[in-house]
Amino acid sequence: RKEVEQDPGPFNVPEGATVAFNCTYSNSASQSFFWYRQDCRKEPKLLMSVYSSGNEDGRFTAQLNRASQYISLLIRDSKLSDSATYLCAVVTTDSWGKLQFGAGTQVVVTP
Amino acid sequence: DTAVSQTPKYLVTQMGNDKSIKCEQNLGHDTMYWYKQDSKKFLKIMFSYNNKELIINETVPNRFSPKSPDKAHLNLHINSLELGDSAVYFCASSQALSGGGEDTQYFGPGTRLTVL
Repeated sequence: RKEVEQDPGPFNVPEGATVAFNCTYSNSASQSFFWYRQDCRKEPKLLMSVYSSGNEDGRFTAQLNRASQYISLLIRDSKLSDSATYLCAVVTTDSWGKLQFGAGTQVVVTP
Repeated sequence: DTAVSQTPKYLVTQMGNDKSIKCEQNLGHDTMYWYKQDSKKFLKIMFSYNNKELIINETVPNRFSPKSPDKAHLNLHINSLELGDSAVYFCASSQALSGGGEDTQYFGPGTRLTVL
């Protein structure tokens, strides 16, 4: 079983709609969580860190559920420019900062 | 004023050759990383250095040798290239070892390596 798993998608979303997807992690010692965005043939860029209490950044909301060991990302009022692959990443304690990435969830926003 | 830069951007070479990829960051960060992203888009860490000291060395063939001449540079040398080495290699840096407070990792633009 992979340490970090994501639904690869694609999630086809009409412009203006809301889309949400999860990322599950297997190691209960995971302590830091992130969502990265990767455009085609580009580098990953940090979208947001995920805090225990959940956090919001504009149209993006991230949640952490430690009991069920998953994080989620919700995108409201989707824009065409939100089309990308969203990678979740997890750091476990005593891993010397090693980011474990999921394989990514592809989101395609359509007009 | 690129934060994390890599050269070259594209590298096409024959099997058996030796090649190097260079990475530089001007963010003043202490920690640098090399990742490999394969054709299935799975991004996996290879190495990390903190203040020029090797911290993470994943199960990477010893044909791959990182070298950090100073905090701002982390190069990757690959000997005897194989077909399976074809991938995109990303360099990244962070202020501290990720998991702490200042742990955002910033990625370079990637080096697309094709081994023929």
